[in-house]
Amino acid sequence: EVQLVESGGGLVHPGGSLRLSCAASGFTFSSYEMNWVRQAPGKGLEWLSYITSRGSPIYYADSVKGRFTVSRDNAKNSLYLQMNSLRAEDTAVYYCARERDCSGGGCSSGNYYGLDVWGQGTTVTVSS
Amino acid sequence: DIVMTQSPLSLPVTPGEPASMSCRSSQSLLHDNNEYNYLDWYVQKPGQSPQLLIYLGSTRASGVPDRFSGSGSGTDFTLKISRVEAEDVGVYYCMQALEAPRTFGPGTKVDIK
Repeated sequence: EVQLVESGGGLVHPGGSLRLSCAASGFTFSSYEMNWVRQAPGKGLEWLSYITSRGSPIYYADSVKGRFTVSRDNAKNSLYLQMNSLRAEDTAVYYCARERDCSGGGCSSGNYYGLDVWGQGTTVTVSS
Repeated sequence: DIVMTQSPLSLPVTPGEPASMSCRSSQSLLHDNNEYNYLDWYVQKPGQSPQLLIYLGSTRASGVPDRFSGSGSGTDFTLKISRVEAEDVGVYYCMQALEAPRTFGPGTKVDIK
């Protein structure tokens, strides 16, 4: 079964740090680019970051640039989100989502298939 | 950054009836090198993670019922449900995938009248 499972969420004080993980299974992780998306309580979806299948380049939303760092370990089928200098407004459910890597060919002419598999999310609460 | 807007923000629907919602982008989502619009539609049903419905503006994702259709080009896009079913309740988001940072619209909440 194709699956993404996030973990590492919890309660952290403002200014603190947390590292989220996203474990992939049921597919060839190294063939997919990955995204982090979050959802604050009662709010909409906010795209945070994208990392290519090989780990570079990486793109970030302005709201987390300089504070959050995305990385991946293809040997461990895992994606990570290191979150530093956390703020109350970072309180949210954090999702990872996969995106097929079309850079090496083998895709249809659009070279894009959307964020087709999402994890169940992990909750981060930033509060004193 | 590309700004995404959606309307309406709330859409009461009647089962069996059609429904339509709009998504607009602050700049064209048509890629320079091909004829595709990099616009996705996602739905988040109550208590669930988001799921992909449509990508490249009009291509249904695997397993998505054909009552869902996406259309539009450039800056104006539409998601239509030909005959709403009770299970279609949720919040529908559009997202531009043309450039980073990717951006989502605020969502259209669909519920049963």
